[in-house]
Amino acid sequence: EPEVTQTPSHQVTQMGQEVILRCVPISNHLYFYWYRQILGQKVEFLVSFYNNEISEKSEIFDDQFSVERPDGSNFTLKIRSTKLEDSAMYFCASSVDFTRDRGIGWDQPQHFGDGTRLSIL
Amino acid sequence: LAKTTQPISMDSYEGQEVNITCSHNNIATNDYITWYQQFPSQGPRFIIQGYKTKVTNEVASLFIPADRKSSTLSLPRVSLSDTAVYYCLVGYGGSQGNLIFGKGTKLSVKP
Repeated sequence: EPEVTQTPSHQVTQMGQEVILRCVPISNHLYFYWYRQILGQKVEFLVSFYNNEISEKSEIFDDQFSVERPDGSNFTLKIRSTKLEDSAMYFCASSVDFTRDRGIGWDQPQHFGDGTRLSIL
Repeated sequence: LAKTTQPISMDSYEGQEVNITCSHNNIATNDYITWYQQFPSQGPRFIIQGYKTKVTNEVASLFIPADRKSSTLSLPRVSLSDTAVYYCLVGYGGSQGNLIFGKGTKLSVKP
């Protein structure tokens, strides 16, 4: 079964440094997402990406964050000038499409990678 | 966005059937109901999705009554490996389907 893969599995960075988290979504998927999960807390949406542009973003996704699809397979999350509170698991997800034409909300499940654990020192 | 309520935790024993109920009183007409499973240090895994009545796949069943104000995830004959957090999600938070996770139900399966 196709998988979403994320690298690295664990990233340790000094506060103030920039990090890039990488994801390879499932090949025929069109929508890409980033979520984060602070230890012991719930999974939080960061951003969705479609057709080479951001579709939606949460309040968490401020100017410190950016996303990019640099080629046909990778999807990256960049965090500039990291802060201690950025320490979390970051999950990438992808999905095929949404059945918008039926007027029904999403019915295409999102497939998640196993995450990158980001530790800011 | 429909708010969901599910038990914080449940305990079960191997071989038993587990039913986890989720309440979503303000579900909208177009909303689907989706369940995800998450193991520690892993990403959420899609389990099952439904709109109404009953849906069954190889790992679970989803029961949705006619009023759709609740749903029940049924896991037949659980094993120790089913110990995980189970999330009920309804609808979507934005126009492009970003998922809004609650705290989920932590299922502990004991031998």
